[in-house]
Amino acid sequence: DTEVTQTPKHLVMGMTNKKSLKCEQHMGHRAMYWYKQKAKKPPELMFVYSYEKLSINESVPSRFSPECPNSSLLNLHLHALQPEDSALYLCASSVRQNQPQHFGDGTRLSIL
Amino acid sequence: KQEVTQIPAALSVPEGENLVLNCSFTDSAIYNLQWFRQDPGKGLTSLLLIQSSQREQTSGRLNASLDKSSGRSTLYIAASQPGDSATYLCAPWEYGNKLVFGAGTILRVKS
Repeated sequence: DTEVTQTPKHLVMGMTNKKSLKCEQHMGHRAMYWYKQKAKKPPELMFVYSYEKLSINESVPSRFSPECPNSSLLNLHLHALQPEDSALYLCASSVRQNQPQHFGDGTRLSIL
Repeated sequence: KQEVTQIPAALSVPEGENLVLNCSFTDSAIYNLQWFRQDPGKGLTSLLLIQSSQREQTSGRLNASLDKSSGRSTLYIAASQPGDSATYLCAPWEYGNKLVFGAGTILRVKS
């Protein structure tokens, strides 16, 4: 069982909907990450938070809005997504930004 | 821009075989290198982390080596088992802890 918990496991939404993905860890890690993984492709980094502050934004479109309200929780707010945004969204955490990352099982997102 | 290539793209072997998965990367200025496995529809499980000052790491039946100067890493799996069937991903760390993933090797071990 993974120690990084992502909810929901599956999400289907229309292009006009607003939804959020949630990621939690209780390992005391202070760095958290969002990745996007398209089918049969490797994960691609989207955002990095270090000590609850946004550290890296890989030029992600503004329809994806990350939020780190505390050291255990990372959200990804979604609005006006496109069909090409359908993917597996993975969350990861690490003790600090230069330590090994632990991944959750992901949220599989489908945009209608 | 770092580019990571993994060979072979897919591999099917009978149970018990020893096998080698290859990873090459274009920018040798990496911090560390990590190998992961991913089961279908699941997240990533870290297998081995090789720090930049190390040449190899071992865990059970797994051994990974790193040659930064030539931009290569290999993952050796001894006595393969059906439970080893998964996609194996190589990920060099760029400075700032940015992982850059290869496309992976899909491994199937037949019983």
